[in-house]
Amino acid sequence: GNSVTQMEGPVTLSEEAFLTINCTYTATGYPSLFWYVQYPGEGLQLLLKATKADDKGSNKGFEATYRKETTSFHLEKGSVQVSDSAVYFCALSENSGNTGKLIFGQGTTLQVKP
Amino acid sequence: DGGITQSPKYLFRKEGQNVTLSCEQNLNHDAMYWYRQDPGQGLRLIYYSQIVNDFQKGDIAEGYSVSREKKESFPLTVTSAQKNPTAFYLCASSSHAGSGNTIYFGEGSWLTVV
Repeated sequence: GNSVTQMEGPVTLSEEAFLTINCTYTATGYPSLFWYVQYPGEGLQLLLKATKADDKGSNKGFEATYRKETTSFHLEKGSVQVSDSAVYFCALSENSGNTGKLIFGQGTTLQVKP
Repeated sequence: DGGITQSPKYLFRKEGQNVTLSCEQNLNHDAMYWYRQDPGQGLRLIYYSQIVNDFQKGDIAEGYSVSREKKESFPLTVTSAQKNPTAFYLCASSSHAGSGNTIYFGEGSWLTVV
């Protein structure tokens, strides 16, 4: 079945460091891919998405490129801030059945220290 | 403001009781979803509804029930049959079900069994 695998956390960085959170997926067909962010005690917010191969999603300095050949959607940011501390979820939306259901990775906690 | 409202934010339940979590959206979205989140884990789909008066089981539907009598409302009942109900519950919606459509989340409800 379809699945998403993220790098284990927590990831601890100093402010202004470069961030990479790895995400790989297994899916039939061509799913859409998403990154969501969750701040403590809150719901999830969409960070960015890509709907086809080679698409690059970007928002608030974060970027991720849909790589079909490596089945990956790694999240990157050039210079993190303390306010970026949160849990980041990679997810895919199944194409088959047209249900729009999301399948999530287990989440990666990012801690940014001043 | 447009969005998804979940209530209550915190709920305590005694063993053997049923409880209902409310979810209301004013986004005019057709599709609505309920996810469960356990500490340190990703989200798992409980139920989803693609249109009014219709809903389907997700991956972990046992011990839960839903209704979709109105477009804007999708309440979740956690029954006494749910063996381990303590979790964070997230309601979500999208304009319509389909891969690539953005799913928006509410702020979540914490349910604790005492």
